[in-house]
Amino acid sequence: SQKIEQNSEALNIQEGKTATLTCNYTNYSPAYLQWYRQDPGRGPVFLLLIRENEKEKRKERLKVTFDTTLKQSLFHITASQPADSATYLCALGSRNTDKLIFGTGTRLQVFP
Amino acid sequence: ETGVTQTPRHLVMGMTNKKSLKCEQHLGHNAMYWYKQSAKKPLELMFVYNFKEQTENNSVPSRFSPECPNSSHLFLHLHTLQPEDSALYLCASSQTRLAGGRKTGELFFGEGSRLTVL
Repeated sequence: SQKIEQNSEALNIQEGKTATLTCNYTNYSPAYLQWYRQDPGRGPVFLLLIRENEKEKRKERLKVTFDTTLKQSLFHITASQPADSATYLCALGSRNTDKLIFGTGTRLQVFP
Repeated sequence: ETGVTQTPRHLVMGMTNKKSLKCEQHLGHNAMYWYKQSAKKPLELMFVYNFKEQTENNSVPSRFSPECPNSSHLFLHLHTLQPEDSALYLCASSQTRLAGGRKTGELFFGEGSRLTVL
């Protein structure tokens, strides 16, 4: 069955460092992959989308890579700040349906 | 303001009650979704509607009944729920058909309805 794994349930890093979150998937050939941010008690907010034919996408301090051979996406936050503390979700989508499948998320804590 | 509004934000109900969750999107999107979010579990897709037609039903028990009267409104009718149905229910919308046929699938979520079943 299709499975999405995000590297760890929680990640703690110091302010100013680069946070790297991992999303691995099996039994799936996604057309695109998305990353969302979710704060406690709130709905997820879309951050970035990367398509199967793209290797890397950037947006301000965010960078996403997508390796369809390894079946993996990496999500980087450079110069991290305490305000980046949140849960980050990856999600996979296909060409043929409107279904988006989510991972369990990684809770990032950036401490001063 | 996300453009997707869910009411109520919090709901407590007994197992024999009937209640409804409401979602409204002001973004002009064609697709609307219900997701369930429980602790330590990934977001679970429940239903998808595209231009008011249901396109996905992810083996959801019949005690959850969706209704989509138009592309801007989505309801989830709840009846004889179980305590394990307690969760955050998230509504989302997206524009799945863009000019040229290329879709992004980006979801815009509401703030969720926190449901507790006693």
